[in-house]
Amino acid sequence: GQSLEQPSEVTAVEGAIVQINCTYQTSGFYGLSWYQQHDGGAPTFLSYNALDGLEETGRFSSFLSRSDSYGYLLLQELQMKDSASYFCAVRDQSASKIIFGSGTRLSIRP
Amino acid sequence: NAGVTQTPKFQVLKTGQSMTLQCAQDMNHNSMYWYRQDPGMGLRLIYYSASEGTTDKGEVPNGYNVSRLNKREFSLRLESAAPSQTSVYFCASSARTRSTDTQYFGPGTRLTVL
Repeated sequence: GQSLEQPSEVTAVEGAIVQINCTYQTSGFYGLSWYQQHDGGAPTFLSYNALDGLEETGRFSSFLSRSDSYGYLLLQELQMKDSASYFCAVRDQSASKIIFGSGTRLSIRP
Repeated sequence: NAGVTQTPKFQVLKTGQSMTLQCAQDMNHNSMYWYRQDPGMGLRLIYYSASEGTTDKGEVPNGYNVSRLNKREFSLRLESAAPSQTSVYFCASSARTRSTDTQYFGPGTRLTVL
């Protein structure tokens, strides 16, 4: 089967850098995605890694190591608006459905 | 271009009542999904449709039925609502290419079953 593990909560300071880790177990691998969800809102897509290495999109970067079944989301220059839950996700072995991790709640202190 | 739309936004039901949640997307995506999210929890897949005319069970299908009416629309039906189905329901559609794999979510339906 498939499973994803990520920390349930992370706290950081405004202006700092934070890393949210995700380890996964899948029978087949089609890439690792990251989503952001603010309280009361819908998840929105942040980033996708199909190959090993770092993908950068503004203040957000995502990293993948397929040999370690591991990825992370890196948020730089943290702003209060980055307080949200962050989910990693992979496709299952059929490639038809997407499995989400249980989410990491990021709290930012001034 | 509205993306993914869902109706209703809020609903309160009594135990045993039935209702249908509507979802539509205007992005010409083949795949559509229904998730539920309980407070402080992740997204759990109820049903999905990989293409028009097909539907498959996800992780938590019991108590639900779906219809892929056409390429745009994917509805979720609760035949006899139970308090355990109190949750936020999200519909999504997806676009997958070599370089990206993106799910687009609707705004959600907040359902309370008394």
